[in-house]
Amino acid sequence: GAVVSQHPSRVICKSGTSVKIECRSLDFQATTMFWYRQFPKKSLMLMATSNEGSKATYEQGVEKDKFLINHASLTLSTLTVTSAHPEDSSFYICSVRGMADTQYFGPGTRLTVL
Amino acid sequence: GENVEQHPSTLSVQEGDSAVIKCTYSDSASNYFPWYKQELGKRPQLIIDIRSNVGEKKDQRIAVTLNKTAKHFSLHITETQPEDSAVYFCAANTGNQFYFGTGTSLTVIP
Repeated sequence: GAVVSQHPSRVICKSGTSVKIECRSLDFQATTMFWYRQFPKKSLMLMATSNEGSKATYEQGVEKDKFLINHASLTLSTLTVTSAHPEDSSFYICSVRGMADTQYFGPGTRLTVL
Repeated sequence: GENVEQHPSTLSVQEGDSAVIKCTYSDSASNYFPWYKQELGKRPQLIIDIRSNVGEKKDQRIAVTLNKTAKHFSLHITETQPEDSAVYFCAANTGNQFYFGTGTSLTVIP
């Protein structure tokens, strides 16, 4: 399967700052990546589908201007949490759509907004 | 859109017993159903999957069954071991999107 990395693994920031999270597909050209958010002991909530070279498709209720997604290459998608607030604290996980509909997840990024 | 429900939310079994987790889905167009295991603080790992043209699939102690008519699929783990303790998620794929169940926290008691 595809090898997916995420950076940073943990980030602590002050309220009002912006945070960028990178998702890299290390051995697979990913035309489609997904961004999820996960609260403690909860399921994965799809935030958006990131398509290389085009605008991301956001799920209902997810603010596009709040969570900026850029998928500029086949190996990199970024999620920027703009003007972060404590309620944005969460575990953010990206995934890569592989062959035959399979999905491979990154290790996740723990965001804490003070 | 698709709606995936998963039961139970928590499950405790004695080591060596079997564990069954069930999911239902709403969109008849869904055609791919993976199961993921997630250990605390780690990424979800694919453990088994099934496609809509197959009714059952087995991989050692893990099996998945699919009933397309009833729109439900189940994960079966036999001869459970303590290392099977984790949260398990089902998912349904419709076109370009995956929809996850709410998760089942499985505890295998030694």
